[in-house]
Amino acid sequence: NAGVTQTPKFQVLKTGQSMTLQCAQDMNHEYMSWYRQDPGMGLRLIHYSVGAGITDQGEVPNGYNVSRSTTEDFPLRLLSAAPSQTSVYFCASSYSRFDQPQHFGDGTRLSIL
Amino acid sequence: GQQLNQSPQSMFIQEGEDVSMNCTSSSIFNTWLWYKQDPGEGPVLLIALYKAGELTSNGRLTAQFGITRKDSFLNISASIPSDVGIYFCAGHTITGNQFYFGTGTSLTVIP
Repeated sequence: NAGVTQTPKFQVLKTGQSMTLQCAQDMNHEYMSWYRQDPGMGLRLIHYSVGAGITDQGEVPNGYNVSRSTTEDFPLRLLSAAPSQTSVYFCASSYSRFDQPQHFGDGTRLSIL
Repeated sequence: GQQLNQSPQSMFIQEGEDVSMNCTSSSIFNTWLWYKQDPGEGPVLLIALYKAGELTSNGRLTAQFGITRKDSFLNISASIPSDVGIYFCAGHTITGNQFYFGTGTSLTVIP
């Protein structure tokens, strides 16, 4: 039982490049979410999904896309990377949307040059 | 979005001392959570609170859901070196659809 797995752990991009951050969970959780963590800002919600085929925007969705084709996977796409997107990204899952974010991945550290 | 203010921002304490930190919001919350984050890892849920006035313990950790529903407190008794990390509060408003996180309290325990 691996919990929540995020890949890659580190990534450096140039401004304007695109990439996908992967998130997978093996706990059959319905609810998955993406957060970004910046110094002095806490964690802020980017996008979330309450089940396969359903996604919605969080607090800071601009510049990011998500999809949820399976229960297990919830990738986050940066369409055209900007320096302001330099951050640590965390994926989290829980049994349902009424549960607190219970299981976090170890994060992806992303630098945009 | 919601602003959760955590204090203090950082703490340096001697091993064995007790620790107190708090979190306040501008809105009423129906759930308060406390997480710990170790370097290079994701947050780990420590305690969840669901009712105003509720006091819940997890080992040496005790958290309280404030009576006003706009604050929460975390206490750590007899600190040990492995308590080092960043502690985050998070809360959920009655009408909202997400959890909001505080800015964190960084704890350093000096052996």
